[in-house]
Amino acid sequence: EVQLVETGGGLIQPGGSLRLSCAASGFTVSSNYVTWVRQAPGKGLEWVSVIYSDGSTYYADSVKGRFTISRDNSKNTLFLQMNSLRAEDTALYYCARVVWGSYRQFDYWGQGTLVTVSS
Amino acid sequence: DIQLTQSPSFLSASVGDRVTIACRASQGIGSYLAWYQQKPGKAPTLLIYGASTLQSGVPSRFSGSGSGTEFTLTISSLQPEDFATYYCQQLNSYPPIFGGGTKVEI
Repeated sequence: EVQLVETGGGLIQPGGSLRLSCAASGFTVSSNYVTWVRQAPGKGLEWVSVIYSDGSTYYADSVKGRFTISRDNSKNTLFLQMNSLRAEDTALYYCARVVWGSYRQFDYWGQGTLVTVSS
Repeated sequence: DIQLTQSPSFLSASVGDRVTIACRASQGIGSYLAWYQQKPGKAPTLLIYGASTLQSGVPSRFSGSGSGTEFTLTISSLQPEDFATYYCQQLNSYPPIFGGGTKVEI
């Protein structure tokens, strides 16, 4: 059974840093595309970043240069390093597995971890 | 970047109603469109991918159609557990953005 469990959220001051983790089971992170999606309180879904099986990474313009996606293959875990945090980064952060071939979808999602950026 | 416009943003319906939600892309995306359902306090779940393929385990009252720039999600007979917010997502190219959502309420 595929499962994703996010951790690492919390309250952080503007300008601070935080690292989110997403522990995966039931599939191999390094053999798949895995992504981060966030949702600000009361708002819609916003794609944040993806890491491909070959290690390529892509980012939304809103986080480019501040966030870094990575993975630890030995721990089957995905990370999101978030630097220079802003109030507008406040959101529930989800990780999800991506299918990207003839058919494309985000087929499994974690339950999310909440990041609050506030002084 | 491709833009997605969902309509309506809010929908009031009753159990047993047929419900249709539209999603329009700013440029052609083939059939690279997915639909998700999100209930309050829960993560999104995949309903449909490839514009019309039902994800395993999703009830057959859900269906999707369309290609290019115009897509629809239809719930043939709304059930109590279907009251939720629905999002479309384009996966033709990066960024794989989501529509603004449609909240379906009683």
